[in-house]
Amino acid sequence: KAGVTQTPRYLIKTRGQQVTLSCSPISGHRSVSWYQQTPGQGLQFLFEYFSETQRNKGNFPGRFSGRQFSNSRSEMNVSTLELGDSALYLCASRSGPSSYNEQFFGPGTRLTVL
Amino acid sequence: QQQVKQSPQSLIVQKGGISIINCAYENTAFDYFPWYQQFPGKGPALLIAIRPDVSEKKEGRFTISFNKSAKQFSLHIMDSQPGDSATYFCAASGVDTGRRALTFGSGTRLQVQP
Repeated sequence: KAGVTQTPRYLIKTRGQQVTLSCSPISGHRSVSWYQQTPGQGLQFLFEYFSETQRNKGNFPGRFSGRQFSNSRSEMNVSTLELGDSALYLCASRSGPSSYNEQFFGPGTRLTVL
Repeated sequence: QQQVKQSPQSLIVQKGGISIINCAYENTAFDYFPWYQQFPGKGPALLIAIRPDVSEKKEGRFTISFNKSAKQFSLHIMDSQPGDSATYFCAASGVDTGRRALTFGSGTRLQVQP
């Protein structure tokens, strides 16, 4: 089975722009979560989608949004980029929304905001 | 408070030695405690996980010790190898809708010297 794939792997944007990141979960997995990883704040939960519905949301401003499609692929969008949004954005998939379902992480998208 | 505190921040161990990483949590609603291993350029990968109904779980050279009353859990890596050099994250989550997402510790950078 192919793992979680994320595109693009690297992005450079300037302040004020918006960006869309994509995640393809493991085949058969219907739950997709997004996390932000920075040296200062560590790994922080952004949101989780299951069957196209947002099931859980972390403590991030409304500039961060996401969606999930009927094939379980997910996108996250960040509008009006700020320097502090520079981070590794990780997508994780699991077969169901239970916390006991193992989460499989993708390699991440490295976003740099200049 | 959904916080997980992890120590030490970094750890240097000789090959063949025991690596010990500790975590403490505050929220008693957490009931799933995984450990993740992350190599540079990769997403975190599940190493081992425990639920609070057991005090210890062992998988190969990796052991989780869990102390429910103290709200602490730790990872022991026996016979540490240079290939174990990575960043390790403890995490916690719960069954409640608002707690299904993983709350991560700050990470421990382990270096195993040959």
